[in-house]
Amino acid sequence: AQKITQTQPGMFVQEKEAVTLDCTYDTSDQSYGLFWYKQPSSGEMIFLIYQGSYDEQNATEGRYSLNFQKARKSANLVISASQLGDSAMYFCAMRGTGGFKTIFGAGTRLFVKA
Amino acid sequence: GAVVSQHPSRVICKSGTSVKIECRSLDFQATTMFWYRQFPKKSLMLMATSNEGSKATYEQGVEKDKFLINHASLTLSTLTVTSAHPEDSSFYICSASTGTSGRQETQYFGPGTRLLVL
Repeated sequence: AQKITQTQPGMFVQEKEAVTLDCTYDTSDQSYGLFWYKQPSSGEMIFLIYQGSYDEQNATEGRYSLNFQKARKSANLVISASQLGDSAMYFCAMRGTGGFKTIFGAGTRLFVKA
Repeated sequence: GAVVSQHPSRVICKSGTSVKIECRSLDFQATTMFWYRQFPKKSLMLMATSNEGSKATYEQGVEKDKFLINHASLTLSTLTVTSAHPEDSSFYICSASTGTSGRQETQYFGPGTRLLVL
C-alpha cells in the first residue's frame, strides 16, 4: 500500500529565511511521481514542484526545491527566502503507476513571520 | 496552462435535498477525473475515480448510492450528493487528468466547492 507521511503539523519561519518541510513515503511501485502542493485559505490546490522516481537530479522551481533521497524514501520541500505570502497549508503527494490516482499526506501548515 | 472549473463554488442546502457539483476541464480533454473530499484542517481524501463513459471506481468506505458520479463527456464530471445530511458538509475538490501516468502536468485541480448542509 502507498503512504505519505508529513510529521510536521505546523512550522514557523522568519521572513526571508529558508524552511524545509518534511515528507516521507512508502510504495512498492518502481516508478512513481512525487508532488508538492500549496493550499492557501481560499482552498485552491496550487502545484509547486514535481519529482519523478527516476529523475537523477533534484527538482527545482524558482524558490522551491525538492530534496529527493530515494533510498530514504524522503522528498522534502525546501522554500528559500520565505515570503509572507508563503503562509499556507502544504501537501506532499504521490502517484504510482496504477490508476493515476494521487494520495496526499496530512499536510504541514507554514506560518511566515514578519 | 490547463484549467479546471467547479460549479458552484459554495452551496448551502437543507438536509434531505440533493446537490450537484460540476467539474469541467475548460481547455483539454480529461479521460479521468478524480473527486476528493477535505474536512477542515485535514488532508484530501480520494472519494472516487471516474473515466469518461464508464462507471466510477469508489474508494473503500465511500457510499456509491450517496455520492453519485457521472462522467458523461471528456470535459465534464458531476458529483451528486443525494439526500444530504449535515455530516456531508465538506470541501469537495475535483481534479482532471489526461491519463498519462507520472507527470504533474497530467492532473489539474479545480478550485473546490464548499458544501454546507443545514
